[in-house]
Amino acid sequence: ETGVTQTPRHLVMGMTNKKSLKCEQHLGHNAMYWYKQSAKKPLELMFVYNFKEQTENNSVPSRFSPECPNSSHLFLHLHTLQPEDSALYLCASSRTGQQFFGPGTRLTVL
Amino acid sequence: GEDVEQSLFLSVREGDSSVINCTYTDSSSTYLYWYKQEPGAGLQLLTYIFSNMDMKQDQRLTVLLNKKDKHLSLRIADTQTGDSAIYFCAESKRNTGNQFYFGTGTSLTVIP
Repeated sequence: ETGVTQTPRHLVMGMTNKKSLKCEQHLGHNAMYWYKQSAKKPLELMFVYNFKEQTENNSVPSRFSPECPNSSHLFLHLHTLQPEDSALYLCASSRTGQQFFGPGTRLTVL
Repeated sequence: GEDVEQSLFLSVREGDSSVINCTYTDSSSTYLYWYKQEPGAGLQLLTYIFSNMDMKQDQRLTVLLNKKDKHLSLRIADTQTGDSAIYFCAESKRNTGNQFYFGTGTSLTVIP
């Protein structure tokens, strides 16, 4: 238990659906992250938020839309996804020097 | 840009020591980390080392850092079947807006 929670843990959606992933931490961390982990690929950083401000967007398609309403919560809004977007989506938070991960949401796009 | 590399696979027998290696390119790294990921789970921080240290030991884990060669290793003593997982090396720098850079992960298989 790292103190970073993610919901849902598993999600199956069609290509026309809209869904959201949620991440929450009450560790007092100021930075939050979304990563995508696909089979046989390196961990891909998607978005970084520092003090609720987005500081990194690694050329992520617009069908992924992050939201950080406060320093404890991070969302990833999904719409019109493709089957190749199926992956494990990991949230993390950090203070200087240490990054802690949530358990991930296993997303399957049909 | 930053580049962190690891070998993809390692197999060891139960009770032996495992050594997982990592190389990185950016000499200004401030912290270096080892994470463990079990099937279906997120990444668990195992240990980390400041770049001004050469070695850190924590129970069965020993981290060695060779800053000159930009080489980091994780030694697991008396490897157990429960150590089977993917191990990720990562680095970060203090002044990069909290950016972390991960290796591709080494899949450790422990043979009973």
